[in-house]
Amino acid sequence: GNSVTQMEGPVTLSEEAFLTINCTYTATGYPSLFWYVQYPGEGLQLLLKATKADDKGSNKGFEATYRKETTSFHLEKGSVQVSDSAVYFCALRLTGGGNKLTFGTGTQLKVEL
Amino acid sequence: DGGITQSPKYLFRKEGQNVTLSCEQNLNHDAMYWYRQDPGQGLRLIYYSQIVNDFQKGDIAEGYSVSREKKESFPLTVTSAQKNPTAFYLCASSIGGGGRSNEKLFFGSGTQLSVL
Repeated sequence: GNSVTQMEGPVTLSEEAFLTINCTYTATGYPSLFWYVQYPGEGLQLLLKATKADDKGSNKGFEATYRKETTSFHLEKGSVQVSDSAVYFCALRLTGGGNKLTFGTGTQLKVEL
Repeated sequence: DGGITQSPKYLFRKEGQNVTLSCEQNLNHDAMYWYRQDPGQGLRLIYYSQIVNDFQKGDIAEGYSVSREKKESFPLTVTSAQKNPTAFYLCASSIGGGGRSNEKLFFGSGTQLSVL
């Protein structure tokens, strides 16, 4: 079956530190990959996406590269801010699978001054 | 402003009671979804609808029911058969429901359901 595995949180960083949140996937086909972010008390928002191997998604200083050889889509940011504190979800969707997303368990990020 | 509105923000259910969570969107999207979020388990799909008057079971549909009588509305009923209903429920929509794998989901702000 299809699945997404994320590193467990919470991840606690100081402001301006480098962030990596690992995400690996298992899929029977060729998925599109996504990172969604959930701020406290809110729904999820799309952060970035990549639709094929070697694509790089980027938004708001965050980046993730679709690595087919390692089945990974790790999220990175060079310098985090307190406002980046949120829960980050990695997700996949198969081509032709409608719009059904398979989510990882989420990784909570806490950024401190 | 266009978006998805979920109500209420907090809801309490008594034993043996059915409760209905509201989800309305004014984005003119064809597809709508209900997800359940539990701590440490991420999001799991309950039901989805790709078009008016049609809906499909997701991964954890037991104990839930939905209707899609209007394009803009996709209410979720948590029935008394759902023995562990306490969770955060998220509604989402997308422009279409089939084929294009890179479509973006738009989420509401969620409803926290608790059992009294």
